[in-house]
Amino acid sequence: DAGVIQSPRHEVTEMGQEVTLRCKPISGHNSLFWYRQTMMRGLELLIYFNNNVPIDDSGMPEDRFSAKMPNASFSTLKIQPSEPRDSAVYFCASSTLGLAGGRGEQFFGPGTRLTVL
Amino acid sequence: SQELEQSPQSLIVQEGKNLTINCTSSKTLYGLYWYKQKYGEGLIFLMMLQKGGEEKSHEKITAKLDEKKQQSSLHITASQPSHAGIYLCGAGMGSGGSYIPTFGRGTSLIVHP
Repeated sequence: DAGVIQSPRHEVTEMGQEVTLRCKPISGHNSLFWYRQTMMRGLELLIYFNNNVPIDDSGMPEDRFSAKMPNASFSTLKIQPSEPRDSAVYFCASSTLGLAGGRGEQFFGPGTRLTVL
Repeated sequence: SQELEQSPQSLIVQEGKNLTINCTSSKTLYGLYWYKQKYGEGLIFLMMLQKGGEEKSHEKITAKLDEKKQQSSLHITASQPSHAGIYLCGAGMGSGGSYIPTFGRGTSLIVHP
């Protein structure tokens, strides 16, 4: 299994530009999570989906952030317009949360390191 | 304040030494996960504890869950340089039955050969 796939691995952009991060979860997993990790705030949940439906987006900082999951094998996190304070490592994770026999542990992708100048 | 507090924040030990990392919750724990993160990489699942008093081991890493104290500890015996990294505890911390995955800030471990 290829694990959770994220792209790009690194993104450098200028303030005001649109940024799109992509995630392919592990096949068969029914839950997908987007996190942001910084030295100041640690690992923060932004939003998570269960069966492609957003369950909790209370961690999304503001309207500049949006996430979609059009099907079970793909999700995007978009920031428009980007700001320097958005610089962080963004992780996607997937899980069998709630599925019979699933422990609910999350499998993390390698992350996207975003730098907004 | 953090819902999951980890201590210590960082740890530097000599190879071969034992060490313990603690994770304390501000709410009742119904289960807890331990993850390890190597610098610059994603988190790797280590183990899950579901019941009070439960203890699990993976190689030289042992974790326990004390539901009464709302606390979990992770113990490494005879540490090795390969144990270096950031250890994070995680749990579902939502209110009213909702599930909101929450993580501690992590404990950074350095093991000197």
